[in-house]
Amino acid sequence: AQSVTQLDSQVPVFEEAPVELRCNYSSSVSVYLFWYVQYPNQGLQLLLKYLSGSTLVKGINGFEAEFNKSQTSFHLRKPSVHISDTAEYFCAVTSGGYNKLIFGAGTRLAVHP
Amino acid sequence: AAGVIQSPRHLIKEKRETATLKCYPIPRHDTVYWYQQGPGQDPQFLISFYEKMQSDKGSIPDRFSAQQFSDYHSELNMSSLELGDSALYFCASSSYGRDYQETQYFGPGTRLLVL
Repeated sequence: AQSVTQLDSQVPVFEEAPVELRCNYSSSVSVYLFWYVQYPNQGLQLLLKYLSGSTLVKGINGFEAEFNKSQTSFHLRKPSVHISDTAEYFCAVTSGGYNKLIFGAGTRLAVHP
Repeated sequence: AAGVIQSPRHLIKEKRETATLKCYPIPRHDTVYWYQQGPGQDPQFLISFYEKMQSDKGSIPDRFSAQQFSDYHSELNMSSLELGDSALYFCASSSYGRDYQETQYFGPGTRLLVL
């Protein structure tokens, strides 16, 4: 069975500061990893994904994530956050094919001026 | 680019009533997924369809049913609604890609409130 753990439920940070949102997964098979962002009262928007190849993936809005197989992690980072980055961030895993996404509990990023 | 369309966006029902949620996938996407997100919770997988056949089933109550039609749109039918069914219901679509890789794209969701 697959599972996702987001280690921080809330992350407060000041504007223009760097941020890292942590995600660990467990799976007995190869996985594909995703980060989705959910702004207040909105749907889920894909930020970035790791399917194969380079372990450092870049996404939209200046976010990037690094897949670390040995540590089973897929942490999301941004060097300088903006107020508009305030949202809920979900890490998700699937084993591909037509398999469902398994989501972590989410991390609420609160950017303060 | 075209996105996943869900209707209605908001729905208010009474207990024991029925509700039908609709999902229109991205053009040429052949797979549809339904997820339920309770207040303050992460999305939970309900059910999925590939080429109009059910491909996987999650924690979907027996009171719920779903299907995918010939034009690939999908409907989630919910009967005997309970207060606990109040949630945001997402539909996602994907296309069977190279090397079994796929990315699910989500619609804006339908917010269901059961009174």
